[in-house]
Amino acid sequence: AQSVTQLGSHVSVSEGALVLLRCNYSSSVPPYLFWYVQYPNQGLQLLLKYTTGATLVKGINGFEAEFKKSETSFHLTKPSAHMSDAAEYFCAVSDLSGNTPLVFGKGTRLSVIA
Amino acid sequence: KAGVTQTPRYLIKTRGQQVTLSCSPISGHRSVSWYQQTPGQGLQFLFEYFSETQRNKGNFPGRFSGRQFSNSRSEMNVSTLELGDSALYLCASSLAVGSYNEQFFGPGTRLTVL
Repeated sequence: AQSVTQLGSHVSVSEGALVLLRCNYSSSVPPYLFWYVQYPNQGLQLLLKYTTGATLVKGINGFEAEFKKSETSFHLTKPSAHMSDAAEYFCAVSDLSGNTPLVFGKGTRLSVIA
Repeated sequence: KAGVTQTPRYLIKTRGQQVTLSCSPISGHRSVSWYQQTPGQGLQFLFEYFSETQRNKGNFPGRFSGRQFSNSRSEMNVSTLELGDSALYLCASSLAVGSYNEQFFGPGTRLTVL
């Protein structure tokens, strides 16, 4: 069974600093990978996803993530944090068939300090 | 284009009661999934429906049930409510079946069981 581990339930960065949110997956076959963001009192919104091809994936709001098969990782980064980035971020994994449900990590709450 | 709508947004019930939550997907979307979100367990998959058929079911007791109508609207029902059912219930729709497709989330229904 697939699983997702997000290291750090809470990450705090200063405005303008690098954002790095970690995600590792467990799967016998490289899956499809996703990052979703949840702002307060809202549902989740897709930031980016990796299916096949280029391992560096660019998403919305300046975020990007790199798929590293050897490390079974899909870390999310943003060069410069904005106050508006404060939210909860979820990494998720889907198997290649798409027949089993999306599996989410526990989430990482990002705080941005002025 | 209207997003995913969920009604009601907030509900307060007492133990032993039952509750029905409603979800209207984005127009044209035929796949609807439901998730339970709690601080301790994160996002847990409940059900997935496509064309009025349940495709997948998560590991929840039989008190949790759902259905989808011919217009793709979906409802979930929880009978004999327990304190532990207090959570944010999220509905997500997607254009096509398969967990690798982008899911569009509604704002959720926050259920409090007293």
